[in-house]
Amino acid sequence: DAGVIQSPRHEVTEMGQEVTLRCKPISGHNSLFWYRQTMMRGLELLIYFNNNVPIDDSGMPEDRFSAKMPNASFSTLKIQPSEPRDSAVYFCASSLTAASTEAFFGQGTRLTVV
Amino acid sequence: EDQVTQSPEALRLQEGESSSLNCSYTVSGLRGLFWYRQDPGKGPEFLFTLYSAGEEKEKERLKATLTKKESFLHITAPKPEDSATYLCAVQAGFKTIFGAGTRLFVKA
Repeated sequence: DAGVIQSPRHEVTEMGQEVTLRCKPISGHNSLFWYRQTMMRGLELLIYFNNNVPIDDSGMPEDRFSAKMPNASFSTLKIQPSEPRDSAVYFCASSLTAASTEAFFGQGTRLTVV
Repeated sequence: EDQVTQSPEALRLQEGESSSLNCSYTVSGLRGLFWYRQDPGKGPEFLFTLYSAGEEKEKERLKATLTKKESFLHITAPKPEDSATYLCAVQAGFKTIFGAGTRLFVKA
């Protein structure tokens, strides 16, 4: 398996624009997580899905952020409108189940909002 | 409030100089404590899971231990390729909380 695949690897956008980050989890994994990593706040869980259903989105910072998982092999994280403080590395991770202890991370998307 | 604190923030070692990284935590209903390694420009890579006080796990030059309040990652005779950021995380319920990490530099 190729692991968790994220796209794009890098995204530079202007403030106010819509940004969509994409993730393909490992086949057979039932749980998917979106994290954000910054120097100031470290790695923060934004939202996680179990069997394509959002379970906990309490980490989503604002209504400008939304996430979907239309099927078991694809998820998106959307920011609309984007702001400079959204600049960070966004990681997607998947695990066999929500209770699984081992999560596999993608390479991340480095987002820069100017 | 659930919290994970790692120390030191950064650690510089000579090749072969053994040391330990610390992860202290306060969490209600601990389900597991994890160690991850993160290389620059990459996502975290899973190393260990510890479930209960007294448990130990080893992998090559790394050994992780767990008490009721903290975990240690012991690095024996490190090599330059061990240079990375080591992240500790705790699972409380279905939520995983990460520490800020320890950046390890090993000089040849």
